[in-house]
This record gives sequence, C-alpha cells and structure tokens, in this order.
Amino acid sequence: QQQVKQSPQSLIVQKGGIPIINCAYENTAFDYFPWYQQFPGKGPALLIAIRPDVSEKKEGRFTISFNKSAKQFSLHIMDSQPGDSATYFCAAVADKLIFGTGTRLQVFP
Amino acid sequence: DVKVTQSSRYLVKRTGEKVFLECVQDMDHENMFWYRQDPGLGLRLIYFSYDVKMKEKGDIPEGYSVSREKKERFSLILESASTNQTSMYLCASSSGAFDTQYFGPGTRLTVL
Repeated sequence: QQQVKQSPQSLIVQKGGIPIINCAYENTAFDYFPWYQQFPGKGPALLIAIRPDVSEKKEGRFTISFNKSAKQFSLHIMDSQPGDSATYFCAAVADKLIFGTGTRLQVFP
Repeated sequence: DVKVTQSSRYLVKRTGEKVFLECVQDMDHENMFWYRQDPGLGLRLIYFSYDVKMKEKGDIPEGYSVSREKKERFSLILESASTNQTSMYLCASSSGAFDTQYFGPGTRLTVL
C-alpha cells in the first residue's frame, strides 16, 4: 500500500530521444508527487512535482503526466541531453515521503 | 541556497566498530532525515527528527540510532557495524514535514 513502483531500473537513450520513466502507486491518500534527480557523487535534488488535481506539468524539457484513475504518473524528458544522465526517483507523499526504487538514465551523444 | 553537509564522503570501518555519521544543515530547518541508498532498493528511511531531541523510527531503524542535540545537527550512529550496513547514507532536511527535502552529498560506508 505504501509502495511506489518505478520502472525501468535503467534506461539508455541517444541524445535528442525522449526517455520515459513510469511510476505506479496504490495508496489513494498520496497527494503530492515529486521527482528527484541525482547526479553521480551528489545527493538527490527536487526536479519537478505535481499534485493529483492536475494531469500534466511542464518545467523546461521535463514533463510529468499524471493519471489519477490509473494511479500512475510518469516523467518525460524532451530532447534529452548527455547532461541529463542521472538517477531519477519518483516519490509520493501522504503522511511521509515514499521513494520509488530509482531509474538510472544514460544519454549518449 | 540550502546547504546540507555530511562529515565524510567515504568511510571504511571494521565489523563491530561504533560508527558516527554527522550531518549539518544551515537553513534552520525543523526536520532532518537519514536514508540509506542501495541499488535496486531506492532510498529507505532509517530515522527522522522533527525537533531538537526528538526522533522517530523510519522504515529500517534496526541496528541504528540517532542523536539531535542541536537543531542544525543530526547524527546517525551504528552501535556495532556489520557488513550488511555497507551502503550509501544520505542526510536530508526540510522546513515542513512534507516539504521539499534537501540532501547532502552522501557518505559511502564500507564495513569490512
């Protein structure tokens, strides 16, 4: 119930591609869904977040799509760049912050 | 900018040793957290604190304890380190309990 399932575990794309990372949850009490980005040797940092009353949110090249009925949300990275290579964590908040298991993204030139 | 610093980037200890991991934040945040990060398991909450001298168990508190004597400092203690505690340890802080968490760079602990 408290889990957030994230897939895929790793993803390799070429520059300019659109990697998509998917997350699913069961607990309908979750009311805030942040994504964190972690570069090698650094701690995670908030990238973008969405609330369930919105179906999509864009910030620059990063877009969250949210499907409340399916209890799924996803991160799309438009025109991906080698500098986007990082580990991405989805998360959900109810009475605490629950992280997904992470996706390691590699973008090759 | 929020800054969260951790005392060591890399640490190597022997089984049975007592290990202290220190975390300091400079933004006067009420809440502080300790996570461990393992491949395929994501970030798992060990302990958190919402005020000085207050602590709450997270999802995997066994084998760990914490101390928060000052608002800006949160310590993670491994009373008797074991090899299964080899991991990356991340400290975070936030203003509100469910607000954005700001992470330190992590301490990679190896227990031999």
